[in-house]
Amino acid sequence: GAVVSQHPSRVICKSGTSVKIECRSLDFQATTMFWYRQFPKQSLMLMATSNEGSKATYEQGVEKDKFLINHASLTLSTLTVTSAHPEDSSFYICSARDLLAVRGTQYFGPGTRLTVL
Amino acid sequence: DAKTTQPNSMESNEEEPVHLPCNHSTISGTDYIHWYRQLPSQGPEYVIHGLTSNVNNRMASLAIAEDRKSSTLILHRATLRDAAVYYCILRDVGRDDKIIFGKGTRLHILP
Repeated sequence: GAVVSQHPSRVICKSGTSVKIECRSLDFQATTMFWYRQFPKQSLMLMATSNEGSKATYEQGVEKDKFLINHASLTLSTLTVTSAHPEDSSFYICSARDLLAVRGTQYFGPGTRLTVL
Repeated sequence: DAKTTQPNSMESNEEEPVHLPCNHSTISGTDYIHWYRQLPSQGPEYVIHGLTSNVNNRMASLAIAEDRKSSTLILHRATLRDAAVYYCILRDVGRDDKIIFGKGTRLHILP
């Protein structure tokens, strides 16, 4: 099946620094990617929808200036957590919608675990 | 996305069938029933989906009630690797919308 990768798989950073997470669709093109956040023992929470070549659409309550999303190509979206704080520590997961597949087909990345000290 | 209701957790013995229920009484005519699962420390993976008829694939079977207000994901022979959180999600793919996850069912497999 289609593969979505994320880099890095895990990252530890100091409070106040910025962290960039990459999401790539490896064998298909994705005009739309989605970013989720998951805290321990909780479900995935959709943060934003990333559209290639245009601005991301953020869910209610998600700060767009803190979580910067860039979708510069059909295979890459990036999420930058700016001025990270310990409460931003979480599991970040992206998914990508296959442009040419059956309508509605989405593939998920393996996730990035962020720990902010 | 329309709301679904699933038990918080279930247990099953290894090598036995598992039936994971999902209620979706407010399902609309254009909603597909999707199941995803999330293994520990991994991203979700697609399991199966259907509209009205029962569906089978290499991972599982999906039994859909005649009135479509409920469905059951069936794992025919559970293994330890099937321990995961299983999410039942309704999606109107005519809108090709985002996936909103509920709480899902945490499935424990006993050796």
